[in-house]
Amino acid sequence: GAGVSQTPSNKVTEKGKYVELRCDPISGHTALYWYRQSLGQGPEFLIYFQGTGAADDSGLPNDRFFAVRPEGSVSTLKIQRTERGDSAVYLCASSPRAQGANTEAFFGQGTRLTVV
Amino acid sequence: AQKITQTQPGMFVQEKEAVTLDCTYDTSDQSYGLFWYKQPSSGEMIFLIYQGSYDEQNATEGRYSLNFQKARKSANLVISASQLGDSAMYFCAMRGAETSYDKVIFGPGTSLSVIP
Repeated sequence: GAGVSQTPSNKVTEKGKYVELRCDPISGHTALYWYRQSLGQGPEFLIYFQGTGAADDSGLPNDRFFAVRPEGSVSTLKIQRTERGDSAVYLCASSPRAQGANTEAFFGQGTRLTVV
Repeated sequence: AQKITQTQPGMFVQEKEAVTLDCTYDTSDQSYGLFWYKQPSSGEMIFLIYQGSYDEQNATEGRYSLNFQKARKSANLVISASQLGDSAMYFCAMRGAETSYDKVIFGPGTSLSVIP
């Protein structure tokens, strides 16, 4: 597709379960970002990939959160032992390799995760 | 550390009037980029306008313009001739040399409601 695709669009899971959220970036974009957006707040940075490697994972809140991008395209955000506080919209974005300040990030529609 | 502040949680504007959404930022970088994104109720983040820290002219994109005051570290978004479809959340964001341009940092957002 032409844009960033995220699946599923909605996910309801029970506390303590494991979830995977998928992001398919724009073709050819080497940079991929995951953000978390809680209700009424701005997106909060989680992790950034340049190619296959996680260049910056400083935003991951704890070791229950992990993300991979094995072939440098699709990425999966994995959350273990989910907690109710993990409920949020998880946004994925991609951009051409960030060479400077003017590189725009293109966002997907997000996955709304609800932990009950 | 980089930080974005948006002091207006909610704004109202009459249709066809102009509105200014405030954004101030904090950074020690000399080179950085400022972005505005729109997020309608559908959840997608839509890029609106970009301003580089070395740009001498204020950025304009159609009905959007950015009032950039570097000394005050402010980058206010001006929407002229508001339309009902402009009702959405608006986020100010930045990318800078401090984080090797890798991260886009977002403010908390302003909710704009356009009144017919």
